[in-house]
Amino acid sequence: GQQLNQSPQSMFIQEGEDVSMNCTSSSIFNTWLWYKQEPGEGPVLLIALYKAGELTSNGRLTAQFGITRKDSFLNISASIPSDVGIYFCAGHPPPNSGAGSYQLTFGKGTKLSVIP
Amino acid sequence: GAVVSQHPSRVICKSGTSVKIECRSLDFQATTMFWYRQFPKQSLMLMATSNEGSKATYEQGVEKDKFLINHASLTLSTLTVTSAHPEDSSFYICSARVSKYGYTFGSGTRLTVV
Repeated sequence: GQQLNQSPQSMFIQEGEDVSMNCTSSSIFNTWLWYKQEPGEGPVLLIALYKAGELTSNGRLTAQFGITRKDSFLNISASIPSDVGIYFCAGHPPPNSGAGSYQLTFGKGTKLSVIP
Repeated sequence: GAVVSQHPSRVICKSGTSVKIECRSLDFQATTMFWYRQFPKQSLMLMATSNEGSKATYEQGVEKDKFLINHASLTLSTLTVTSAHPEDSSFYICSARVSKYGYTFGSGTRLTVV
């Protein structure tokens, strides 16, 4: 089935630094979504991208849908301690790709640690 | 916004017993819900897709008789882990489709089988 390669697997950064993480796929995706998950909680949607080339911001977060439709990145500027968590990319493959209707495929996550 | 309420948040059960996890959409109707399983430090793995009024669609390798899914109403889907064993211990998360490509997730259920 569809697979998303997410990197880096983990990051340790100083408070105030900028963060960048990305997801790639060998096949195209129709949407790219970025979620944050904190311990013992379900994922919370941060940014949703629906068009190739789309660049969207949500506060200090910025994400882009790659022009090839096979990648996406998420940037966090001026990190703060509450940014700690696991960030997942997710996407919808095209309808005829073999995946079920509107099923999400998740990356393996990027664990972010922020050092005050 | 659309909220999904998942209960219980934590449950400990004895090996061989069954556990039911509920997922309710609070302010919208969810015709499609998804059930995921997440092992420690791993990603979410889709177990099954439940559609209101019809049988759930299970992913390859997921035992239908072990993980019973019921989606009898537009606001409630349940996952029952039958005859639970320690290897079923995991974090289970439900998700409801709120728009064409929009989803909201429950807060998860930590299942521990002893």
